[in-house]
Amino acid sequence: NAGVTQTPKFRILKIGQSMTLQCAQDMNHNYMYWYRQDPGMGLKLIYYSVGAGITDKGEVPNGYNVSRSTTEDFPLRLELAAPSQTSVYFCASSYSSVGDTEAFFGQGTRLTVV
Amino acid sequence: AQSVTQPDIHITVSEGASLELRCNYSYGATPYLFWYVQSPGQGLQLLLKYFSGDTLVQGIKGFEAEFKRSQSSFNLRKPSVHWSDAAEYFCAVGARNTGTASKLTFGTGTRLQVTL
Repeated sequence: NAGVTQTPKFRILKIGQSMTLQCAQDMNHNYMYWYRQDPGMGLKLIYYSVGAGITDKGEVPNGYNVSRSTTEDFPLRLELAAPSQTSVYFCASSYSSVGDTEAFFGQGTRLTVV
Repeated sequence: AQSVTQPDIHITVSEGASLELRCNYSYGATPYLFWYVQSPGQGLQLLLKYFSGDTLVQGIKGFEAEFKRSQSSFNLRKPSVHWSDAAEYFCAVGARNTGTASKLTFGTGTRLQVTL
């Protein structure tokens, strides 16, 4: 059972480039989330989805976009990368709403924008 | 809006010693409370959760936590720490019954170092 899989694990981007962080889960969870983790700041919610075709903004959505065409996949798109987007990104999924139940996290993508 | 405070950024304990990590929350109703652990280079893993009922909850790896409503606290404890417990620990609070997807609010984390 793979759980939540994120790719890539590491990436260096130049300012202004774009990329997509991939996230896939095989637990048939409806709820999926993207967080970013900055040193000393905990995790901040970027976007979330409650099911295929439904997404919504979290605390820090600016500079990011998401889509959810299938239950399994929830990619995060960075357009016009900026140094402020240097962070570790975590994808998570849960059976029901994440405040109510256990969330399963991927291993993270460490992104550096130079 | 809910918030979580973990006052200790970094804690060092000797292997075999007891451990208590502090967590204080702010929320208008009875919250759902969680402790997650993050080992180096890994994602977060749930240690334990409190939803209702017995205020002392048991988790994996020998951890427990106690919900104290009067103190708005949910401190994590372990009677005897092992070197493999070195990690970062996050307390989180979840909103209840929001009608939409509830969300987790995380504390800033406590990094635990274990000396041999």
